[in-house]
Amino acid sequence: DAGVIQSPRHEVTEMGQEVTLRCKPISGHNSLFWYRQTMMRGLELLIYFNNNVPIDDSGMPEDRFSAKMPNASFSTLKIQPSEPRDSAVYFCASSLAQFAEAFFGQGTRLTVV
Amino acid sequence: KQEVTQIPAALSVPEGENLVLNCSFTDSAIYNLQWFRQDPGKGLTSLLLIQSSQREQTSGRLNASLDKSSGRSTLYIAASQPGDSATYLCAVNNNAGNMLTFGGGTRLMVKP
Repeated sequence: DAGVIQSPRHEVTEMGQEVTLRCKPISGHNSLFWYRQTMMRGLELLIYFNNNVPIDDSGMPEDRFSAKMPNASFSTLKIQPSEPRDSAVYFCASSLAQFAEAFFGQGTRLTVV
Repeated sequence: KQEVTQIPAALSVPEGENLVLNCSFTDSAIYNLQWFRQDPGKGLTSLLLIQSSQREQTSGRLNASLDKSSGRSTLYIAASQPGDSATYLCAVNNNAGNMLTFGGGTRLMVKP
């Protein structure tokens, strides 16, 4: 398996624009996670899905952030409108089952100017 | 709320040394603990996962131990190599929910 695949790898956008990050989990994995990594706050969980259903979105910063998982092989994280403070590396991870070993993608480095 | 701390934040050692990285967590009600490696500009690579019922796990030169009651885990790296240079992160999965809480990481540099 190719592992967790994220796109794009890098995104530079202007403040106020909509940004969509994409993730393809490892085939057969039924848990999917979105994390954000910054120098100041480290790695923080934004939201996690189990069997395509959002289970905990308490880490989503505000209403500008939304995440969907329309099927078992695809998820998106959308920021609308984007702000400079959203600049970070966004990681997607998946696991075979709840509480199983988590595997991370390469991340999307987002810069909002 | 679970809090995970890693000490030291940075470590520099000469090649060949054995070393220990520390991780502590405040809530002992964990399901498992996972150690990751992160290279600059890259994603996280899973190294070892220890279930709460286990005391240690080994993979090659790496050995991770877990003392759940005291809220501590260590990652032991034997015979360190320059290729081991990276940031090492520990993360705990609480019983209450399927989500990892991460420590701040230890940035390791192994000098040739």
